[in-house]
Amino acid sequence: DADVTQTPRNRITKTGKRIMLECSQTKGHDRMYWYRQDPGLGLQLIYYSFDVKDINKGEISDGYSVSRQAQAKFSLSLESAIPNQTALYFCAIGTGQVNEQFFGPGTRLTVL
Amino acid sequence: QKEVEQDPGPLSVPEGAIVSLNCTYSNSAFQYFMWYRQYSRKGPELLMYTYSSGNKEDGRFTAQVDKSSKYISLFIRDSQPSDSATYLCATSAGGYSTLTFGKGTMLLVSP
Repeated sequence: DADVTQTPRNRITKTGKRIMLECSQTKGHDRMYWYRQDPGLGLQLIYYSFDVKDINKGEISDGYSVSRQAQAKFSLSLESAIPNQTALYFCAIGTGQVNEQFFGPGTRLTVL
Repeated sequence: QKEVEQDPGPLSVPEGAIVSLNCTYSNSAFQYFMWYRQYSRKGPELLMYTYSSGNKEDGRFTAQVDKSSKYISLFIRDSQPSDSATYLCATSAGGYSTLTFGKGTMLLVSP
């Protein structure tokens, strides 16, 4: 089984809809991250968490919220989706002094 | 200026060539330097990392860091078509600090 799983893998939705992307891990790492990737812009950090009670904003948190329901689960929500949130979204887990991060397979989100 | 700069490419080489991928960074606090490989429509996978200055070798891949010039390199020897992917450099101060990624360089290795 994969260390990091993301659901759904693909989602098409309409402007104004609420969307939740889910991430779960099997490694027991404390650090979890949400990134979005756009062509030409690279990976941008949305939110990150070091513990169930610890949530931190990344560089592009506006329009997003997160929930760390358990050590192994970290969800990303778009309360009212807009077209410029169309992107590839990745969840990652981190570990060690180096903070090696391991990524999930991604969710391709399209907002019409 | 972005904290980590990386030429987007694409970089096209013939099979068997030596490939050099590079990044520059601006924050002197960065201590760890990583290279990720990302195939199309897949998540990035960690190739290797180095701590501070120096070289690290893993098979056909060599990572090199020069902190004095804030320059990071990844060399691929005997490149293969299966190496065709986007390569992202990333830096961090370690521990619980976040990673800062370059935008990635697309590499195309032709048979």
